[in-house]
Amino acid sequence: GAGVSQTPSNKVTEKGKYVELRCDPISGHTALYWYRQSLGQGPEFLIYFQGTGAADDSGLPNDRFFAVRPEGSVSTLKIQRTERGDSAVYLCASSLQGGSTEAFFGQGTRLTVV
Amino acid sequence: KQEVTQIPAALSVPEGENLVLNCSFTDSAIYNLQWFRQDPGKGLTSLLLIQSSQREQTSGRLNASLDKSSGRSTLYIAASQPGDSATYLCAVKEGSGSRLTFGEGTQLTVNP
Repeated sequence: GAGVSQTPSNKVTEKGKYVELRCDPISGHTALYWYRQSLGQGPEFLIYFQGTGAADDSGLPNDRFFAVRPEGSVSTLKIQRTERGDSAVYLCASSLQGGSTEAFFGQGTRLTVV
Repeated sequence: KQEVTQIPAALSVPEGENLVLNCSFTDSAIYNLQWFRQDPGKGLTSLLLIQSSQREQTSGRLNASLDKSSGRSTLYIAASQPGDSATYLCAVKEGSGSRLTFGEGTQLTVNP
């Protein structure tokens, strides 16, 4: 597709369950980012991939959060034992490479933990 | 740690006004600064990207400036329209890595 695609657009899950959020970046973009946005706040950085490897995962809040990008394209953000505080919009972005290139964002996945 | 602040948090103007949104950042060692627009319940749309070596960028009715040494950027919107109503976010790409650090945004309402 032409832009960054995220699925699902909405996800409701029960506390304690496991969820996976998917991001399909713009074709050819080697850099991929995950952010989390709470209501009324700016997005907060979670993790950055350059190719298949996580170049910076310092934003992941705890070990319940994990992300992969096994073939350097699609990425999956995985959250174990979800908590109500994990409820937020999870945004994915990609850029042609890291450094000075422009980042393009997807529409986000709204996660609600009940 | 880089901190980004946007002032004002909210702004309401009548249609046709020119307006300025402000963004400040604490660490001037940045690669670039990017302005985004976010409509309610939607993702972020990139508006303008200014590299650290540039002073300004223009796209249509939008003009963004960057004063890296003082840690400030402004987004100027000319002849505002109701369709400009959205939240505007600025973000800096830090010199020590490739993450974007965002401000909390300015919620703009343009009244017909």
